This record gives sequence, structure tokens and C-alpha cells, in this order.
Amino acid sequence: QKEVEQNSGPLSVPEGAIASLNCTYSDRGSQSFFWYRQYSGKSPELIMFIYSNGDKEDGRFTAQLNKASQYVSLLIRDSQPSDSATYLCAVRVETYKYIFGTGTRLKVLA
Amino acid sequence: GAVVSQHPSWVICKSGTSVKIECRSLDFQATTMFWYRQFPKQSLMLMATSNEGSKATYEQGVEKDKFLINHASLTLSTLTVTSAHPEDSSFYICSGKGVTYNEQFFGPGTRLTVL
Repeated sequence: QKEVEQNSGPLSVPEGAIASLNCTYSDRGSQSFFWYRQYSGKSPELIMFIYSNGDKEDGRFTAQLNKASQYVSLLIRDSQPSDSATYLCAVRVETYKYIFGTGTRLKVLA
Repeated sequence: GAVVSQHPSWVICKSGTSVKIECRSLDFQATTMFWYRQFPKQSLMLMATSNEGSKATYEQGVEKDKFLINHASLTLSTLTVTSAHPEDSSFYICSGKGVTYNEQFFGPGTRLTVL
């Protein structure tokens, strides 16, 4: 069974620090990887996606992909209290099939 | 990113009634739409995947006769919860994916409460 695993947290970081969120996946053939943010009571919103090994930066966010280790991470620099949310990792395993992790809850302490 | 809307944003109904939720892609053609359910403090659960003009593919354990999905156009999909019961109370979220996109874009969700 194809799986995506995340630590449920909560991950607590002080304001201004770097938050590091991790995700592992089981399907070695996966090609596309996504990070979504979900605030309590709201639906997920896309933060960024990554397809190639290495780093991809977008503002304060950096996604890192290591296909050999089947590992995706999201770094949030200069964390703010408004970043406190649940972060969902998603992997596209087939054309119309995505597997979501259960999410990591991040708390940024003011 | 692309925009997906849902209507209604919340609904309260009596047990035994049917409820229809609409999901629209506003600025792109959603060739594929997904329907999810999320209970409080739990993760997203995929209910079904539908491609425009085709029958929906339901996940294991989801009753297709209870959760009717129609994806008749490239911008509209509907989920009808038939004969709703209190255990169907949940947050229902749709998402859309277009041909030119690799990612899904989520609607704002519909909170269903069945009394």
C-alpha cells in the first residue's frame, strides 16, 4: 500500500526560528510532491510543489526533495505566529491519484 | 493559483433529508475533481475521484448510493448526501485539477451538520 508519513507533532518553534517539516513516502515511482497548509476549520491551501531533486525556494518557504531517500521536507524561515497550522504533504502516485499524509501541526510561539 | 468555490459553506439539515453540495472551478477547467471528508482533528479522507463526463471512482468503504457525485461539466461537480444521518456530519471539501496543472486546488469546504 502506498503511504505518506508525517510526524503529527505538534512541532513548536519560537518566532523567528526555522521550522523544519518532514515527510517520507513509500512509492519510489512518485514524481510530484506538494505541501499544503491547513488552518483549523479551513480547507488546505497549496504552499508549493517540487518535482526535481534538490531545493526549491519561494519566499520564506523552501521545499527539499531527495528521491533516493524518498524524503520531502519543508523549511519555513523566520517563522511567524500566523504560520501556526497543520502542514500536509501530498504525493502524486498516478495521474489521478494523490496520497496525503496526516499532517504535522506547527505552533509558532510569540 | 486557480480558484475553486463551494456552496453552501455550511448547512444544517434534519436526519433523513438529502443535501447537495456544489463545487465550481472559477478560472480553469477542472477535468478531475476530488471529494474529501474531514472529521474534527482528523486527516483528509478521499471519498471519490471524478473525471468530467465519467462515473466517479469511489474509495473503499464509501457508499456510492449514499454519496452521489456528478461531474457533468468542466467547471461543476456536485456531491449529494442522500438520507443524511448524524454520523454524516463532517467537513466536506472538494478540489479540482486541470489538464495544465499538476496540483489540486481546494475549495473552501462545506460544513454539514445533521440533526
